[in-house]
Amino acid sequence: EAGVAQSPRYKIIEKRQSVAFWCNPISGHATLYWYQQILGQGPKLLIQFQNNGVVDDSQLPKDRFSAERLKGVDSTLKIQPAKLEDSAVYLCASSLEGPGKQYFGPGTRLTVT
Amino acid sequence: GQQLNQSPQSMFIQEGEDVSMNCTSSSIFNTWLWYKQDPGEGPVLLIALYKAGELTSNGRLTAQFGITRKDSFLNISASIPSDVGIYFCAGDPLGAGNMLTFGGGTRLMVKP
Repeated sequence: EAGVAQSPRYKIIEKRQSVAFWCNPISGHATLYWYQQILGQGPKLLIQFQNNGVVDDSQLPKDRFSAERLKGVDSTLKIQPAKLEDSAVYLCASSLEGPGKQYFGPGTRLTVT
Repeated sequence: GQQLNQSPQSMFIQEGEDVSMNCTSSSIFNTWLWYKQDPGEGPVLLIALYKAGELTSNGRLTAQFGITRKDSFLNISASIPSDVGIYFCAGDPLGAGNMLTFGGGTRLMVKP
């Protein structure tokens, strides 16, 4: 079974530029999550989708971050404009059912200079 | 928001030793999960716990869901070099919501 796929794996941009990340969850997983992991910390949830609807985006900085999952499968996370403090690994995860069992992709490491 | 405190923050042990790490919260959690993260990779689920008092093993790993539902521990027996990595606890404070809060991690280093 294929795992969660993410691209790109690495991205370097200058502050005030825009960037987008892509995630393809495990086949059949209805729930998709985006996390931000700052160096030395645990992942922090940004947004959770159930199919193509948003379940929780209370920790998403909506003035610069946006995410969509139009067809209930793939998802994109966008940052516009980027700030230095956005430098982090952005992890995508998906789950089938039941509390907790989330499966993570390899992440996209973003460096904002 | 919910906070999970993991201890110790880092451990440096000799190969073959047993390891114990724990996770505590001021709030009640309905689920406890333990993940391992290798450099450049996403977290990998090791053990999931769903009931207070539950004790679950996965090979050399054993984890328990505390009776108060505010803590959990993870033990690794007879450590080997590939156990090196960062171990995260995560909790689901809402039960069915599948929204996880992660601890800050315990970095494990194993000396061959």
